Amino acid sequence: GAGVSQTPSNKVTEKGKYVELRCDPISGHTALYWYRQSLGQGPEFLIYFQGTGAADDSGLPNDRFFAVRPEGSVSTLKIQRTERGDSAVYLCASSSKGTRTDTQYFGPGTRLTVL
Amino acid sequence: AQSVTQLGSHVSVSEGALVLLRCNYSSSVPPYLFWYVQYPNQGLQLLLKYTTGATLVKGINGFEAEFKKSETSFHLTKPSAHMSDAAEYFCAVSYTGTASKLTFGTGTRLQVTL
Repeated sequence: GAGVSQTPSNKVTEKGKYVELRCDPISGHTALYWYRQSLGQGPEFLIYFQGTGAADDSGLPNDRFFAVRPEGSVSTLKIQRTERGDSAVYLCASSSKGTRTDTQYFGPGTRLTVL
Repeated sequence: AQSVTQLGSHVSVSEGALVLLRCNYSSSVPPYLFWYVQYPNQGLQLLLKYTTGATLVKGINGFEAEFKKSETSFHLTKPSAHMSDAAEYFCAVSYTGTASKLTFGTGTRLQVTL
């Protein structure tokens, strides 16, 4: 079946602009995660949704970052007033139940470049 | 702070040689442990995971890892490297009280030479 998809695959924007990154999880998966991977680093947790609600948003770096999942499926990560330091690959993952032993399935990522 | 350490950002082996990628974690309680592989321009793919039970875990593509509590380690091995194993490998943990989010190491890039 279809895996996790993310759009766009690449996004180039200018400092100060607003961007939205979209994630389509595997159908039926209740848990959805966003991670950020900077060059040469491992992915860093941003936020975790269980259904429509954010169960853990402790990884969001500041209030410029916001994510929604209004119908419990597709999620959008929103970044306001982008900064050059926001440049990274943004990864989305989903899992069937969101338990600690569940496998998280990752999408290919969105590469964000802030000029 | 709880963390994951991967020793060696780059590892090079000859085709047919043993692959050993190191992972150590810090935790006062047993974590759940994962190894993911990332091929260029692709998403992370789970190789194997340890949750409970047998400490030697077998995964896909001939990889295996052993959970050693006394050494707080979860090293990844493969007896004979193949050219197709060249990729970036990430060790990750999930800890009690942190819901199910993963904490990743910085990754090890595996190069396989002829």
